Amino acid sequence: AQSVAQPEDQVNVAEGNPLTVKCTYSVSGNPYLFWYVQYPNRGLQFLLKYITGDNLVKGSYGFEAEFNKSQTSFHLKKPSALVSDSALYFCAVRDRRDTGKLIFGQGTTLQVKP
Amino acid sequence: EAQVTQNPRYLITVTGKKLTVTCSQNMNHEYMSWYRQDPGLGLRQIYYSMNVEVTDKGDVPEGYKVSRKEKRNFPLILESPSPNQTSLYFCASSSSSGLLYNEQFFGPGTRLTVL
Repeated sequence: AQSVAQPEDQVNVAEGNPLTVKCTYSVSGNPYLFWYVQYPNRGLQFLLKYITGDNLVKGSYGFEAEFNKSQTSFHLKKPSALVSDSALYFCAVRDRRDTGKLIFGQGTTLQVKP
Repeated sequence: EAQVTQNPRYLITVTGKKLTVTCSQNMNHEYMSWYRQDPGLGLRQIYYSMNVEVTDKGDVPEGYKVSRKEKRNFPLILESPSPNQTSLYFCASSSSSGLLYNEQFFGPGTRLTVL
């Protein structure tokens, strides 16, 4: 069965420090992977995606993610965190064989402190 | 402005009273989907639609119905709501051209409380 795991409920970092939000997945075949962000009282916004090609994907607001096929991971990263990055982050995977379904992880709250 | 709209944004109702949450998009997207968000569970897909008159179950379809009579609208129907359907609901849409890797556009959410 397809699944996505975000092992940390919350990640705390100081402003200016690098951040990593972890995501691992389980899906048959090659997945399409996404990161979304949710600010308080808002819907989800797309950040970035991995389809194929380079394992390091760059997205919005200075975020990037590293795809690691052997570890089935797709960790979200940013070199220097901002207080405004504080939000709820979701990893998601779409199985190429079941195009209608999108599976989300449980979400990780990122708290960036000044 | 390209957007997905949902109505109502907040709803408090009682067990068994039928309700409909509307979803509309103005981007001419073929694909639309409904999710519910619960603490610790992330987003779970309820139903999705690949195009007009084409709908399919997601992971948690029990207790919900949908219809897709027009391309822009994808209402979510709770015929007999129960307290375990208290949740935050999101509608989303995307173009089916390259569906597998297109990002979805989400509505602002509907917070439903069933007493």
